[in-house]
Amino acid sequence: DAGVIQSPRHEVTEMGQEVTLRCKPISGHNSLFWYRQTMMRGLELLIYFNNNVPIDDSGMPEDRFSAKMPNASFSTLKIQPSEPRDSAVYFCASSIGHYQETQYFGPGTRLLVL
Amino acid sequence: SQQGEEDPQALSIQEGENATMNCSYKTSINNLQWYRQNSGRGLVHLILIRSNEREKHSGRLRVTLDTSKKSSSLLITASRAADTASYFCATDKEGDKLIFGTGTRLQVFP
Repeated sequence: DAGVIQSPRHEVTEMGQEVTLRCKPISGHNSLFWYRQTMMRGLELLIYFNNNVPIDDSGMPEDRFSAKMPNASFSTLKIQPSEPRDSAVYFCASSIGHYQETQYFGPGTRLLVL
Repeated sequence: SQQGEEDPQALSIQEGENATMNCSYKTSINNLQWYRQNSGRGLVHLILIRSNEREKHSGRLRVTLDTSKKSSSLLITASRAADTASYFCATDKEGDKLIFGTGTRLQVFP
């Protein structure tokens, strides 16, 4: 299995631009997670999907962030408009079952907003 | 909200030595997990220990869990330079999310 796939791996954009991050979970996994990692705040859960349905989006910082999972093999995290404070590494992870089980992380997208 | 706090924040040892990292948390849990993160990479799952387990082994890794003290430890025996990474504990409770700690940065010198 290829593992969790994320794209792009690096993204540099200017403040105010729209950013879309993509994730393909491991086939057969029914939970998907978006995390953000920064030096200041560590690893934070943004949103958690189970069977393509958002279960917990309490970590989404504000209305500028949105996430979708149109099918079991694809999810997007969108930031519009982007701000410099959104600069971070964004990870997607997937698991069989719910959040308590082992999570498999993708390589991350390193986002820099200028 | 509950959070795993790792201790120490940073640890430097020589190859062949053992490395011990500790994790403390605040509320009761179902499971506790340990993950490793190499620089510039995603997290990799190491071990999951359930609340009714006290000790678990996987190769050179040994994890203990003391629910009365709300703490866990990760022991890496006979460390190697390739073990250099950050190590995170992650805790849960029913109906809540998985919370990751702040991590221990381990440096193993050859």
